Amino acid sequence: DAGVTQSPTHLIKTRGQQVTLRCSPKSGHDTVSWYQQALGQGPQFIFQYYEEEERQRGNFPDRFSGHQFPNYSSELNVNALLLGDSALYLCASSDRVDTQYFGPGTRLTVL
Amino acid sequence: GQQVMQIPQYQHVQEGEDFTTYCNSSTTLSNIQWYKQRPGGHPVFLIQLVKSGEVKKQKRLTFQFGEAKKNSSLHITATQTTDVGTYFCAGIRNRDDKIIFGKGTRLHILP
Repeated sequence: DAGVTQSPTHLIKTRGQQVTLRCSPKSGHDTVSWYQQALGQGPQFIFQYYEEEERQRGNFPDRFSGHQFPNYSSELNVNALLLGDSALYLCASSDRVDTQYFGPGTRLTVL
Repeated sequence: GQQVMQIPQYQHVQEGEDFTTYCNSSTTLSNIQWYKQRPGGHPVFLIQLVKSGEVKKQKRLTFQFGEAKKNSSLHITATQTTDVGTYFCAGIRNRDDKIIFGKGTRLHILP
């Protein structure tokens, strides 16, 4: 039973570019949440998807958008990248609001 | 701003000593979760507390949820080198079900 998977593992972009990160949830899970974790900080909630709809959103600008597909996998898109967007982006899946299983993350570096 | 405060930020203990991290929220929580993140890894779910005054134990780990559902603690008895990592609390806010992570407590074990 595969856990949560994310791709790519690492990514380097330049300011102004756009990036798409991908997540496949744990088998049986229908809810996907995305987090941004800066170095030395706790994860910051970006948004959550359930039944292909954005169910909740944290305090992130509209440059951050997402999508959930019928197979429950999800994408996180970030437009007009800023240096401050450099972070570890974590995807977490759950079958309820409660217990979340995190993926290994995508390390994004913006130069 | 940060609504879930976690202290201390860092803790160094001798192997075999006890360790405690505290989590305080400015708002009432519906429940609180604890995660452990090893260096270079991703957060791993440890436990969820839901009831006021709840206490749960997992081997050497004891978790408490305050009577007012605004604070929580994690206590590790007789630390081992495998306990190294950062411990995060994550509160689910009562008013909107949003999850807020603390900044974490980094535990370092001295041999």
